[in-house]
Amino acid sequence: GNSVTQMEGPVTLSEEAFLTINCTYTATGYPSLFWYVQYPGEGLQLLLKATKADDKGSNKGFEATYRKETTSFHLEKGSVQVSDSAVYFCALTSNTGGFKTIFGAGTRLFVKA
Amino acid sequence: GAGVSQSPRYKVAKRGQDVALRCDPISGHVSLFWYQQALGQGPEFLTYFQNEAQLDKSGLPSDRFFAERPEGSVSTLKIQRTQQEDSAVYLCASSDTTLRGSSPLHFGNGTRLTVT
Repeated sequence: GNSVTQMEGPVTLSEEAFLTINCTYTATGYPSLFWYVQYPGEGLQLLLKATKADDKGSNKGFEATYRKETTSFHLEKGSVQVSDSAVYFCALTSNTGGFKTIFGAGTRLFVKA
Repeated sequence: GAGVSQSPRYKVAKRGQDVALRCDPISGHVSLFWYQQALGQGPEFLTYFQNEAQLDKSGLPSDRFFAERPEGSVSTLKIQRTQQEDSAVYLCASSDTTLRGSSPLHFGNGTRLTVT
């Protein structure tokens, strides 16, 4: 079946550090890939998405590239801020998986001033 | 416009009680999903509606769980004879298109269920 694996947290960084959160997936068909973010006290919200191989999703300084050859969708940001502290979820939706979105376990990010 | 609204935000139930959790999706959104999120974990799929039709209920953990969306808008997730392992946050999400995996989900803030 379809699945998503992302690096365990927590990840603790100083402000302005470079961020990478690894995500790999297993899926049949041609999945769409997503990163969702959950800020403290708030609901899950879409951060970025990519719908086909080699697409790059970007938003708020975050980027992720859909790599079909390595089945990966790693999240990166060049300079994190304290306000980026949150839990980040990698997810996929496959058109052969009944259109349900499958989530990874989440990676908690702490950014220190 | 308003986002996805869930009620109640918190629910405490004694073991064996029945509970009903409500979801009001974004107006006009055809697709509606229910997820269960345990502490420190990602959301786990429970069930999916397209309008009033329940197209996938493969994630419902037992026959104590039942979901409905009779008019294709508001949905209710019902859990009968609650058990301690049902304690979790129940998330509702809606999406504005059908049969397209590229549409993102819009989540409510969830209902935190604690079974004592």
